Amino acid sequence: LAKTTQPISMDSYEGQEVNITCSHNNIATNDYITWYQQFPSQGPRFIIQGYKTKVTNEVASLFIPADRKSSTLSLPRVSLSDTAVYYCLAKARDRDDKIIFGKGTRLHILP
Amino acid sequence: DAMVIQNPRYQVTQFGKPVTLSCSQTLNHNVMYWYQQKSSQAPKLLFHYYDKDFNNEADTPDNFQSRRPNTSFCFLDIRSPGLGDAAMYLCATSRGTGDLYEQYFGPGTRLTVT
Repeated sequence: LAKTTQPISMDSYEGQEVNITCSHNNIATNDYITWYQQFPSQGPRFIIQGYKTKVTNEVASLFIPADRKSSTLSLPRVSLSDTAVYYCLAKARDRDDKIIFGKGTRLHILP
Repeated sequence: DAMVIQNPRYQVTQFGKPVTLSCSQTLNHNVMYWYQQKSSQAPKLLFHYYDKDFNNEADTPDNFQSRRPNTSFCFLDIRSPGLGDAAMYLCATSRGTGDLYEQYFGPGTRLTVT
């Protein structure tokens, strides 16, 4: 399971695009990058997952450069309700490889 | 809607008094996990069941036990809670443990130890 490094916290304003970068320098060939979102007093929620290039869904986009040593979660036009902790994980598609959460990024959206 | 349910949402117990937290799922997933999350920290995996196969994390204290009587239910037993065990306890499920399978989390049970 690759170690990931994220900013501890970020502030942004409503309507802005927010990009949270995660470093995973020792990512293995079979590791995928996954992001979870956790609101206060709730369990984490899966947002997006990718292996390389770009993945987009109704919530976010995930950009992964060719060397895969980092990834960027992009949240378009954030609102106050996007205030949450965002966790980046790099884990393999192996039966025994479990989700281990890093410290996450505490995103605070300001009005 | 299919979901992961945790009861109760808030639990208060006394120091040293055994307590059981419950989790149920309607997703029919094979895997059920228990995490401990302390204030401003990331969730920490305690153990998981793949079907009836129990997998304990190496650093999970013996004070924490788990039972999974059937596919739908999983319990977390804390035999002698200490003040340091006050935390949010999260239950999660997934169809498998590979990366293809995202985890679905319940709302958590916040445990207070007095």
